[in-house]
Amino acid sequence: DVVLTQSPLSLPVTLGQPASISCNSSQSLADSNGNTYFNWFQQRPGQSPRRLIYKISNRDSGVPDRFSGSGSGTAFTLKISRVEADDFAVYYCMQGTHWPFTFGQGTKMEIK
Amino acid sequence: QITLKESGPTMVKPTQTLTLTCTFSGFSLTTAGLAVGWIRQPPGKAPEWLAFIFWKDDQRYRPSLRTRLTITKDTSKNQVVLIMTKMDPADTATYFCVHLDFWSGHGPLGEFNYWGQGTPVTVSS
Repeated sequence: DVVLTQSPLSLPVTLGQPASISCNSSQSLADSNGNTYFNWFQQRPGQSPRRLIYKISNRDSGVPDRFSGSGSGTAFTLKISRVEADDFAVYYCMQGTHWPFTFGQGTKMEIK
Repeated sequence: QITLKESGPTMVKPTQTLTLTCTFSGFSLTTAGLAVGWIRQPPGKAPEWLAFIFWKDDQRYRPSLRTRLTITKDTSKNQVVLIMTKMDPADTATYFCVHLDFWSGHGPLGEFNYWGQGTPVTVSS
């Protein structure tokens, strides 16, 4: 299975400050057609995960532009330009290129 | 509007078989490119993909659970059923079903990424 390793696992952030989460893959997530099915999810307590970013850097509908994704191959990053109160949640990376699809361990963003 | 809802027992005993049903609306599992999958999430842990079934009835299973899982669909009822045998306390989790669209160009979760609300299952004697 592809292993996704997130860092940090806990991220204390001050409101209004930027935040960044990394996700490294145990193998390349590019498929034979050059597509990289790498996603970022946000999960609040008691809710289903909500996708924020698909194919590395594409924001889902309704996702604020303070969220951005970047990376390629095996190294990916989620950045939040200015953290708002609504952003305190757990973030997961997920790959949908190789079956079984896999998630990272999660990064819990907390108020500093 | 696409919706999915999971149903099944909230508690099973060790060694028993778990049967979960995903009832969906807003799409047909006869449409090319579509699938329905199951994901579980143990308390406080990351989600884990279990299986999915394509419109053409092909199935994919998590290799480590292959011998314990069976996924089937009933297109007339708009339902997908997941059966997991030999339940163990380590299988305690919230189980989600998800809509998949492999032909959308957005990746397996499709353009809008639809999930059910999840159903909690506890395995305990």
